[in-house]
Amino acid sequence: GAVVSQHPSWVICKSGTSVKIECRSLDFQATTMFWYRQFPKQSLMLMATSNEGSKATYEQGVEKDKFLINHASLTLSTLTVTSAHPEDSSFYICSVRTLAKNIQYFGAGTRLSVL
Amino acid sequence: GESVGLHLPTLSVQEGDNSIINCAYSNSASDYFIWYKQESGKGPQFIIDIRSNMDKRQGQRVTVLLNKTVKHLSLQIAATQPGDSAVYFCAEGSNDYKLSFGAGTTVTVRA
Repeated sequence: GAVVSQHPSWVICKSGTSVKIECRSLDFQATTMFWYRQFPKQSLMLMATSNEGSKATYEQGVEKDKFLINHASLTLSTLTVTSAHPEDSSFYICSVRTLAKNIQYFGAGTRLSVL
Repeated sequence: GESVGLHLPTLSVQEGDNSIINCAYSNSASDYFIWYKQESGKGPQFIIDIRSNMDKRQGQRVTVLLNKTVKHLSLQIAATQPGDSAVYFCAEGSNDYKLSFGAGTTVTVRA
């Protein structure tokens, strides 16, 4: 069964609005989650590392005020795309790191389309 | 920065044949490597991993080989099935727990 639940799977929004994406770890407590973005026919690009109880760590070039991350519990991290614009349209995927083997398990992804 | 890359972007294989997907990496400090399978519109699915102190690991119908001398990683799929059609990514990780993904290889299985 699924280890990571991501919601919603697909969202369409108007330019200028904000969208929240949830990532839940179903089988274990996750102190660390990751958020990726994937454009069509491209690879996954790490956006940020979400740490439970502390601020997220963002990769170079990712605007922290645009992509707000909250990891308030050991099973939930959220990514909010603020004031979305068409160029933010992408496939956003979260992952959870297992403590035992450092393997990341991924959610099903969220397709964001900004009109 | 250093990154993981793949030799070929596409691979077409006859059903029942074995598939070999290659990956070149450049970060000699990577501690582990993971292969993921991604079907259209879905998130990556874990296939198999290998640590840097190993050179071979086998799973169900899959084998990963690691050649640290030439910084090369491969995934072998035995008796390829239509359900194996997907994009395959190699990823490398180190002690900061982040993963760096390669460009991906699209595998198409011919019936």
